[in-house]
Amino acid sequence: GAVVSQHPSWVICKSGTSVKIECRSLDFQATTMFWYRQFPKQSLMLMATSNEGSKATYEQGVEKDKFLINHASLTLSTLTVTSAHPEDSSFYICSASLNSQNGYTFGSGTRLTVV
Amino acid sequence: GENVEQHPSTLSVQEGDSAVIKCTYSDSASNYFPWYKQELGKGPQLIIDIRSNVGEKKDQRIAVTLNKTAKHFSLHITETQPEDSAVYFCAASMNDYKLSFGAGTTVTVRA
Repeated sequence: GAVVSQHPSWVICKSGTSVKIECRSLDFQATTMFWYRQFPKQSLMLMATSNEGSKATYEQGVEKDKFLINHASLTLSTLTVTSAHPEDSSFYICSASLNSQNGYTFGSGTRLTVV
Repeated sequence: GENVEQHPSTLSVQEGDSAVIKCTYSDSASNYFPWYKQELGKGPQLIIDIRSNVGEKKDQRIAVTLNKTAKHFSLHITETQPEDSAVYFCAASMNDYKLSFGAGTTVTVRA
């Protein structure tokens, strides 16, 4: 089946630094990937839709200059949290879809803690 | 945009009993309805999904029903086991574009 790999699984960084999270589709090519943020005991909130070879589409209220998304190949999308602050601490999850018949597969998530 | 409501927020059942989680959606154009199970510290895992051309789908102890007219869909877990304890999310999308998630249901199966 479709497998999505996400790295790192957890990261701790200092305020003001940047952190990159990778999302890879291991056994399929994904033209579209999605990035979500999940705060404790809450649902998944879509941040942006990552499209291979073009700019990402951000949801309302998500700062595109703070959350940089790059989808340079059909198997890799990256999310960079720039100038991280403690309020950016959250669980970030990516998902990918091969096509309309296969639905969405989620990565294992990245726990970001900004200190 | 799509708005998905999910109830209950918590559900405690005795092992062996059934669990039912209900969701409603607002956009009649939505046509894909997956259910995800999320364990602590992990990403969501798809457990079952249904499309709008089908009213019911079953996979062993798990079933999903869809009422397009009422814009309701439900997850049914029979013969619950301790390993079924997790947070369950319903979601809806149109033409397999971005998913809108419900708020989640924390299911606890008591041994």
